[in-house]
Amino acid sequence: DADVTQTPRNRITKTGKRIMLECSQTKGHDRMYWYRQDPGLGLRLIYYSFDVKDINKGEISDGYSVSRQAQAKFSLSLESAIPNQTALYFCATSDLPGRARNEQFFGPGTRLTVL
Amino acid sequence: AQTVTQSQPEMSVQEAETVTLSCTYDTSENNYYLFWYKQPPSRQMILVIRQEAYKQQNATENRFSVNFQKAAKSFSLKISDSQLGDTAMYFCAFMKHATTSGTYKYIFGTGTRLKVLA
Repeated sequence: DADVTQTPRNRITKTGKRIMLECSQTKGHDRMYWYRQDPGLGLRLIYYSFDVKDINKGEISDGYSVSRQAQAKFSLSLESAIPNQTALYFCATSDLPGRARNEQFFGPGTRLTVL
Repeated sequence: AQTVTQSQPEMSVQEAETVTLSCTYDTSENNYYLFWYKQPPSRQMILVIRQEAYKQQNATENRFSVNFQKAAKSFSLKISDSQLGDTAMYFCAFMKHATTSGTYKYIFGTGTRLKVLA
């Protein structure tokens, strides 16, 4: 079984709709992240959480919100989706700094299309 | 602010040949980490290799090695004996965690699409 899972894998929605992307992990990591990937722009950090009581904005948090329901779950919401939020979204986890080679472990991604 | 630049949007290499992907970064930090991630068509992100800035020795992982030039802020990836399975998007990434301020930085470049030709 995958260590980091994301649901849904693909989603098409309409402008103005509320969308939630979910992420679950079985790695036991405290740190979780949400990124979006756009062609030619690489991955950009939306939000990150170092534990269940800690939420931090990333580079591009406008239009997004997150919820850390438990150590293993971190969800991303688009309250009112717009077409320029069409992208590939990744959830990732990492251990404490200095552990696991500071590697981030990624989910399989969610392709979101906003019409 | 830290930035990561990958100046080669696309590259191709013949199977069994060697290819080098370039990455430069800008930072005023002294201690940080650099990574290369691979994203095959399956879109799964996979760590290829990492380098700690305080280590002078270049990291190697089987056919993958880096040329880390700290003063020049350059971190290139060399793939030897290229295989068809190496076809993927490759991302360079910079990571810095300042424990005193709690600041966290994990910045990705825009990627280089590598195609290995049979």
